[in-house]
Amino acid sequence: QKEVEQNSGPLSVPEGAIASLNCTYSDRGSQSFFWYRQYSGKSPELIMSIYSNGDKEDGRFTAQLNKASQYVSLLIRDSQPSDSATYLCASTRGGFQKLVFGTGTRLLVSP
Amino acid sequence: DAGVTQSPTHLIKTRGQHVTLRCSPISGHKSVSWYQQVLGQGPQFIFQYYEKEERGRGNFPDRFSARQFPNYSSELNVNALLLGDSALYLCASSSVRDRGRETQYFGPGTRLLVL
Repeated sequence: QKEVEQNSGPLSVPEGAIASLNCTYSDRGSQSFFWYRQYSGKSPELIMSIYSNGDKEDGRFTAQLNKASQYVSLLIRDSQPSDSATYLCASTRGGFQKLVFGTGTRLLVSP
Repeated sequence: DAGVTQSPTHLIKTRGQHVTLRCSPISGHKSVSWYQQVLGQGPQFIFQYYEKEERGRGNFPDRFSARQFPNYSSELNVNALLLGDSALYLCASSSVRDRGRETQYFGPGTRLLVL
């Protein structure tokens, strides 16, 4: 079992729709969770971080964390073609610990 | 403020050669981490350094080594290159101030091709 699992996609949504990206993790010691966006040929760019159970909103993005279910999600409202990218879910045990990444979900937003 | 910088951006080497990749962290960040990302996969952790000391090492062979300098910049060295070392090598820096909430910011990466 991989430590962080994501559906590789592609997830296809029309412009203006809500994109829902999901991630599960196996290490119950994980404390911090991150969503990175990676455009083709580029490096990962931090979108959201979340540390506590519940929702965290930032503009069009909402991250959700459920530690009991070991589940993290990212909602993108009013999806735009420029949101088309691979979204990487990552976790750490906190402090100066390594990021453990999933394989990423490719999102395609069609005009 | 400038973000994380890495050099070179691209590199082509042949099997058996050695390579050195360089990284400068965000100003004020004292921790640097290195990751390898092969096509279609998420980044895999190689090393983490804080205040010039190795804080963590991933599951990579001894051909991989790194160090951090007094100015917090870092080098990743790979000896005896193999075809499988072809990947995007990412450097990330993070701040020490909020240890429980460390966030890693990535540089643009070095794309290494081994022929």
